[in-house]
Amino acid sequence: GQQLNQSPQSMFIQEGEDVSMNCTSSSIFNTWLWYKQDPGEGPVLLIALYKAGELTSNGRLTAQFGITRKDSFLNISASIPSDVGIYFCAGPNYGGSQGNLIFGKGTKLSVKP
Amino acid sequence: DAGVIQSPRHEVTEMGQEVTLRCKPISGHDYLFWYRQTMMRGLELLIYFNNNVPIDDSGMPEDRFSAKMPNASFSTLKIQPSEPRDSAVYFCASSPGYGYTFGSGTRLTVV
Repeated sequence: GQQLNQSPQSMFIQEGEDVSMNCTSSSIFNTWLWYKQDPGEGPVLLIALYKAGELTSNGRLTAQFGITRKDSFLNISASIPSDVGIYFCAGPNYGGSQGNLIFGKGTKLSVKP
Repeated sequence: DAGVIQSPRHEVTEMGQEVTLRCKPISGHDYLFWYRQTMMRGLELLIYFNNNVPIDDSGMPEDRFSAKMPNASFSTLKIQPSEPRDSAVYFCASSPGYGYTFGSGTRLTVV
């Protein structure tokens, strides 16, 4: 079945550094979503991407929908301690409409002040 | 809007006991999803409903798990009998058809 592979699994960075993470799939997606999960909470939607090549920003976060439609990237600039959490990519199941999402296993981000 | 409300936040129970997790979705959202999160397997979809009707329950691990949505504002996930391997965080999420809103989860520990 469909799977989303995220890398890296975890990152330990210094406050102020930039962060890059990515998500790949063996199948094509029409939509890519990036979520963040704070400790003890549910995931929260950060950015949604709907078109191949699309580059979208949300504050210090920038995400890109890969040209091949099989990957997506999330960058965080000038990280701060509250960026700590797990970042998930997600896409529609069966590569179709967005009734049902599948999630990657996440990238766990730790930020040292 | 109060968001998706789950209860309880934490549940500790003994093996063999029945456990019921509850969810109140956001009003007007037609879809409701139950996910389970563990370190090993990440977020797994258990079941989802559209307009209170179960659409896909293929992720429900076995017959010990059941879910209901008697009306648009309430859903339950029941485990009977519970086993230690059911220990996980269970999330409910609702959606108007695009983008999910997750609840804060129920952390279940079966001892």
